[in-house]
Order: sequence, then structure tokens, then C-alpha cells
Amino acid sequence: DVKVTQSSRYLVKRTGEKVFLECVQDMDHENMFWYRQDPGLGLRLIYFSYDVKMKEKGDIPEGYSVSREKKERFSLILESASTNQTSMYLCASNLIQTNTEAFFGQGTRLTVV
Amino acid sequence: AQTVTQSQPEMSVQEAETVTLSCTYDTSESDYYLFWYKQPPSRQMILVIRQEAYKQQNATENRFSVNFQKAAKSFSLKISDSQLGDAAMYFCAYRSPNAGNMLTFGGGTRLMVKP
Repeated sequence: DVKVTQSSRYLVKRTGEKVFLECVQDMDHENMFWYRQDPGLGLRLIYFSYDVKMKEKGDIPEGYSVSREKKERFSLILESASTNQTSMYLCASNLIQTNTEAFFGQGTRLTVV
Repeated sequence: AQTVTQSQPEMSVQEAETVTLSCTYDTSESDYYLFWYKQPPSRQMILVIRQEAYKQQNATENRFSVNFQKAAKSFSLKISDSQLGDAAMYFCAYRSPNAGNMLTFGGGTRLMVKP
């Protein structure tokens, strides 16, 4: 059974804190993604990675950074959390072939107070 | 950059009836893939159906089928014999072989199923 696991389902952090969201996949996928989901806006890509130590900016990278030190793990970092980063965060992974589906984690609902 | 538009924020269907969810996209590419994903209240995104742009035949998966109109850049999802378990958010997504194989999503349609 394929799996993408996010470290937390719910997280509450204070403004200015450094926040780490972790994602692990067990499918040996090359690509990993971090999306942010907000009502009416769908899923917006923050960052993606196609290989270890490689990363590309998505549509809304400001205020975020990522780390991929191992193939199976992709971390999203909020350097200094702000209230406008309160959202649902979804991690996904897929193979490099275009016709393959992406597999998603169950999401982390982050609230910044 | 590609954009994906779902013009129906909410839809409602009676159980056992048929409903169609709309999706349009903007691209200059000729080779790409389109997907419909379902997100139930559990938040777990599940692939419903996929379509290769080079295939003229519309994809079908049991009660789910698509109407793919490449020239019109339209990719609608038809759900037949709707069931209570079909209630969810539905997202249309575009995947390009270029641009790092990123998935671009529409804004989503919330489908409600009435018993």
C-alpha cells in the first residue's frame, strides 16, 4: 500500500516561530511537492523537488523554504510564521513519468496565532 | 504557465442521478495529461480518472467518465448513478511533461449528494 505521510494533522504555532512540516514517502518517487490549499483557490504549489538536494519554486514560494536531504523526505520550512500562512498544507509525490498519478498525504492544518 | 479553471464552486445532485463537473484549462502545449482528484472530508486526495491529451477516446472508470474536448481545452467529469459517498471536493489537474512535471490544480468544486 503506497504511502505519503505527513508528520502532523493539526498544528498551532505562534507568529514568528520557525515551523517545520515533514513529509515522507515510501514509493521511491523522484518528485515531491508541497501545496497550500485555501477555499476557492484550490491547491497552489509552493515548492517541488525532482531529486535529492534539488528544488524549484512554485507559484507562491515567498515566506517558505524546503529541504530534501534524502529521496524519501521533503520538508517545508516556515522561517518566521505569520497569520497569513494559516492554511492546509498538502504534500504529494509521483514518479517522473508524466502519465503517473500523484499520491498525497493527509494534509496538515496549520494555524498561526 | 498553465491555468486550470473550475467555474462551479458548488454543485448538488440527487442520489442515483447524473452530474457533470466542468473544467477548462489554458495551455500552448500539445502533449499533457489531465486528472480528476476527489478529496472527501477525510482530506485524503484520491485519483478518480486520468486522460492523455493524445488520446481521442474519453477515459472511463466505472461510474466516472470524462468529456475531453482538446480544441476547446475542456475536461469535464461526469458522475453517473451518484452515491452518498461521492460527496467531496473535486479538483481538476493538469500535468505537463515540461516545467518539471508539475501538477496545476483548479479551484475545486464541492459536490453535495442529496438522499
